[in-house]
Amino acid sequence: QKEVEQNSGPLSVPEGAIASLNCTYSDRVSQSFFWYRQYSGKSPELIMSIYSNGDKEDGRFTAQLNKASQYVSLLIRDSQPSDSATYLCAVLYSSASKIIFGSGTRLSIRP
Amino acid sequence: DGGITQSPKYLFRKEGQNVTLSCEQNLNHDAMYWYRQDPGQGLRLIYYSQIVNDFQKGDIAEGYSVSREKKESFPLTVTSAQKNPTAFYLCASSIDSPSNQPQHFGDGTRLSIL
Repeated sequence: QKEVEQNSGPLSVPEGAIASLNCTYSDRVSQSFFWYRQYSGKSPELIMSIYSNGDKEDGRFTAQLNKASQYVSLLIRDSQPSDSATYLCAVLYSSASKIIFGSGTRLSIRP
Repeated sequence: DGGITQSPKYLFRKEGQNVTLSCEQNLNHDAMYWYRQDPGQGLRLIYYSQIVNDFQKGDIAEGYSVSREKKESFPLTVTSAQKNPTAFYLCASSIDSPSNQPQHFGDGTRLSIL
């Protein structure tokens, strides 16, 4: 099992709809989780951090964390063409004291 | 403005040559990291440093070397021993390590073989 697993996509979502991006991880004691957005040819930029079970909302973005299921997701409401990018899930592995990145999900918002 | 500066943006390496990628931060962060990203792949950790004059190997350190003589600077040397250096190299920093605070990235250096 990969340490941080994401569906590579591409995930195609119509403009204005909700995009749902998923991530699973294998370290049961992980406490910190991050979502980054990466446009083609650019560096990752932080969108959300989440540390507690439940939902965390920031504008059109909602991060959801379920530690029991070792699952973290990112919802993007009212998807815009500018949301088309690769989304990287990152998990702080306490056992290794380092952040592990998933390989990313490519999201495409179609007009 | 505070941030992370990587240079150069593009770099070409001749066979047998060592090249050095620069990373400077003015965020007063203790921890700094180097990642390699290949097309369609995630980020793989090369080296990281939690404090000045100390650094640890990441998952793919072979063929690379680093130094951390100043808090602000963490240069990466891609040596001739790295036989497949073509990739996008990203430098990041965080307040401390291990940290529940996120890492922030520079704009990256794209390295190619001549």
